[in-house]
Amino acid sequence: QVQLQESGPGLVKPSETLSLTCSVSGVYLSSYYWTWIRQPPGKGLEYIGYIYYTGSTKYNPSLKSRVSMSVDTSKNQFSLTVNSVTAADTAVYYCARRRLNYYDDSGYYYYFDYWGQGTLVTVSS
Amino acid sequence: DIQMTQSPSTLSASVGDRVTITCRASQGIGSWLAWYQHKPGEAPKLLIYQASTLESDVPSRFSGSGSATEFTLTINSLQPDDFATYFCQQYHSQPDTFGQGTKLDIK
Repeated sequence: QVQLQESGPGLVKPSETLSLTCSVSGVYLSSYYWTWIRQPPGKGLEYIGYIYYTGSTKYNPSLKSRVSMSVDTSKNQFSLTVNSVTAADTAVYYCARRRLNYYDDSGYYYYFDYWGQGTLVTVSS
Repeated sequence: DIQMTQSPSTLSASVGDRVTITCRASQGIGSWLAWYQHKPGEAPKLLIYQASTLESDVPSRFSGSGSATEFTLTINSLQPDDFATYFCQQYHSQPDTFGQGTKLDIK
């Protein structure tokens, strides 16, 4: 059974760096894309970006300048870093696995088949 | 980015009812839409992908339909376990975007 679990500090000071890890069990990271998504309080979900098990990444342009992702296949984990955080980065952060639905000349189409339960990160001094 | 408008934002219903939730895309997304169920403190659960394909182990009372810009999630004969928040996701274009969610509660 595939399970994802987010972990990391629940409180981060403004201007500092937010770091989270997603631990995956039940499946190896290999051959899959892994994603971070967040939901600010009272708002909708926001896609942050994804990382392939090889380390290649693609980020949402809205966050691209402050976001970084990495993967540790030996620990079956992947991580998210968000720099220079502000109160607007306060959110529940989710990790998820992307599953390929279909591909053709137009592109590749993925949805999310497994999610973690999320972890709340509050940015406050 | 493609905007996903979901309605209603809240929905009150009773066990046994049939309910419908709608998701509208700001531009055509083909059938590249997924629906999820989310309960507080739990991981979101995939229900439907490609607009109408039921994920394995999801009860058949859940169904999805639509294409291009308008999509619906229907739950027939609501069960107590179905009271949760539901949201849609388009995966036609990056970045993936989500509806604001529909909270389904007991009337």
